[in-house]
Amino acid sequence: DQQVKQNSPSLSVQEGRISILNCDYTNSMFDYFLWYKKYPAEGPTFLISISSIKDKNEDGRFTVFLNKSAKHLSLHIVPSQPGDSAVYFCAALSGGYQKVTFGIGTKLQVIP
Amino acid sequence: DGGITQSPKYLFRKEGQNVTLSCEQNLNHDAMYWYRQDPGQGLRLIYYSQIVNDFQKGDIAEGYSVSREKKESFPLTVTSAQKNPTAFYLCASSIAPLTATNEKLFFGSGTQLSVL
Repeated sequence: DQQVKQNSPSLSVQEGRISILNCDYTNSMFDYFLWYKKYPAEGPTFLISISSIKDKNEDGRFTVFLNKSAKHLSLHIVPSQPGDSAVYFCAALSGGYQKVTFGIGTKLQVIP
Repeated sequence: DGGITQSPKYLFRKEGQNVTLSCEQNLNHDAMYWYRQDPGQGLRLIYYSQIVNDFQKGDIAEGYSVSREKKESFPLTVTSAQKNPTAFYLCASSIAPLTATNEKLFFGSGTQLSVL
């Protein structure tokens, strides 16, 4: 039972355009959401997060949007750069639980 | 230069053999975690430890064992009871047990385990 779902396994975007990565969740107890970026043969690195009390969080070229009623969040990368090519994991945390639940990841390719 | 070191980068296991994956951190983090990544699946939690000499099972602990004798070290043993051990194993740590205000995990570079 996947509580965090990333339904698009891959995405290709032209350099300079917007990349939109989507994530859905089923557990209404999740109160914090995170995006991690992973290059091949490396560990994931934290990218950006958002609390369930907010609907938007922005950090430079990266913005995460949260729609609690739809149990949906998205990561926007503007403008996309070739160095953004990686696998992006959506993750969620519920208070009191000592673990992060990850989606299966979306592989982003930014084409120069 | 603080970080998490996993070794070896590649490991091969024979049938019936136990193997141990090393994870060391010099970030002075209290909590440490082991995740497993399989193709087409997200990261799944094997074991975690919030403090020295204490650890808890994650979602897929069967066939694995851990120890936390030192704050810096959290080795994972893949036992012969783990029937499908081939995967990419990731160790992570966090400043304190995860909460909504302290949510970041810091990952090592991983160990690829394969069965001969």
